[in-house]
Amino acid sequence: DQQVKQNSPSLSVQEGRISILNCDYTNSMFDYFLWYKKYPAEGPTFLISISSIKDKNEDGRFTVFLNKSAKHLSLHIVPSQPGDSAVYFCAATIDSNYQLIWGAGTKLIIKP
Amino acid sequence: NAGVTQTPKFRVLKTGQSMTLLCAQDMNHEYMYWYRQDPGMGLRLIHYSVGEGTTAKGEVPDGYNVSRLKKQNFLLGLESAAPSQTSVYFCASSPGVGSPLHFGNGTRLTVT
Repeated sequence: DQQVKQNSPSLSVQEGRISILNCDYTNSMFDYFLWYKKYPAEGPTFLISISSIKDKNEDGRFTVFLNKSAKHLSLHIVPSQPGDSAVYFCAATIDSNYQLIWGAGTKLIIKP
Repeated sequence: NAGVTQTPKFRVLKTGQSMTLLCAQDMNHEYMYWYRQDPGMGLRLIHYSVGEGTTAKGEVPDGYNVSRLKKQNFLLGLESAAPSQTSVYFCASSPGVGSPLHFGNGTRLTVT
């Protein structure tokens, strides 16, 4: 039973447009959420996070939105750039403890 | 700035063989983790350590052992490899609970 789901295995977006990556979760106890980005043959790198006491967090071109009632979060990238082509993972945890629960990832392809 | 270094990068084992994966970090982080990543699934935590000399089980610990004799190193051992352990293994470290993880570039293990 996957507690964190990324239902789109891949997403293709035109360069300069907005990319929206989605993540759903089932455990209402999750209170901290993170997004990681992964290039081929490399490990994931941290992108942005959000605590459950907030509904939005912004860092440059990246914004994460959290809808607790829907148990849904999304990552917006504006504008999308070729270097954003990567696999994006969403992860969740309870009380910021050691055990992150990860989604399966969404492969984002930015078309020139 | 080496960050987190994993060796080896690739390995092929026959069923029943043993091996050790080495993870080294030069950031003086207290916490270290071993994850596995399988196709269509998120990363799953195998074992983790909250400091030198300590280890704890994660989500999928069976068939693996770990040791953290020095703060900068975290070893993952497979005593008797099985085909189900074919995966990509990632090591990560973090300065504390709730801090983003820093990942190595992974070890691709194939067990035939």
